[in-house]
Amino acid sequence: QSALTQPASVSGSPGQSITISCTGTSSDVGGYNYVSWYQQHPGKAPKLMIYDVSNRPSGVSNRFSGSKSGNTASLTISGLQAEDEADYYCSSYASSSTPYVFGTGTKVTVL
Amino acid sequence: QVQLVESGGGVVQPGRSLRLSCAASGFTFSSYGMHWVRQAPGKGLEWVALIWYDGSNKYYAESVKGRFTISRDNSKNTLYLQMNSLRAEDTAVYYCARDYDEWNFDLWGRGTLVTVSS
Repeated sequence: QSALTQPASVSGSPGQSITISCTGTSSDVGGYNYVSWYQQHPGKAPKLMIYDVSNRPSGVSNRFSGSKSGNTASLTISGLQAEDEADYYCSSYASSSTPYVFGTGTKVTVL
Repeated sequence: QVQLVESGGGVVQPGRSLRLSCAASGFTFSSYGMHWVRQAPGKGLEWVALIWYDGSNKYYAESVKGRFTISRDNSKNTLYLQMNSLRAEDTAVYYCARDYDEWNFDLWGRGTLVTVSS
């Protein structure tokens, strides 16, 4: 099972919106609504930001939103802030010998 | 407070074994599925294994199947990962994580580093 494909880096200025894509196949992203997004700051554990494609856990800012179309999921961060600078990983349940897969990761830089 | 604390990491030679532990506190451990996720130095996240809340079902990544065993002791609020036949590519920070609403990880430990090297 290959990792889901994400852009290596995305950048934006404070206040702008950015979108991170996550491309898989019909056996993972496209086949299930079990897509999640995690934020990871350097040296820290990941934090759940979005689950089940578009749901936000309690305490996560509504500046973060998720969506999916076909085999591609997306995370949008609106009103970009300095503290959003981090690595972001998508993930999905998969119908394969490895039932769960993460994306390759995207480094978000706030200019 | 609600937390997960991993332990048991260290330096081990290729082919040897190691057992990781994850101590849970502040929540009803026996009500939650638990995962192990690893991250090689400078690399991305890789899911390793899942065990159901009661230990009745276990799932593994293909890369560790047959070598790693996930288990839990609900009386001790502790999750384990027995790692056998270790390889250099198993070098990583190993995180335990709590399952939330099926296949989401809402609580993570700080991780424990496993280095496989001769």
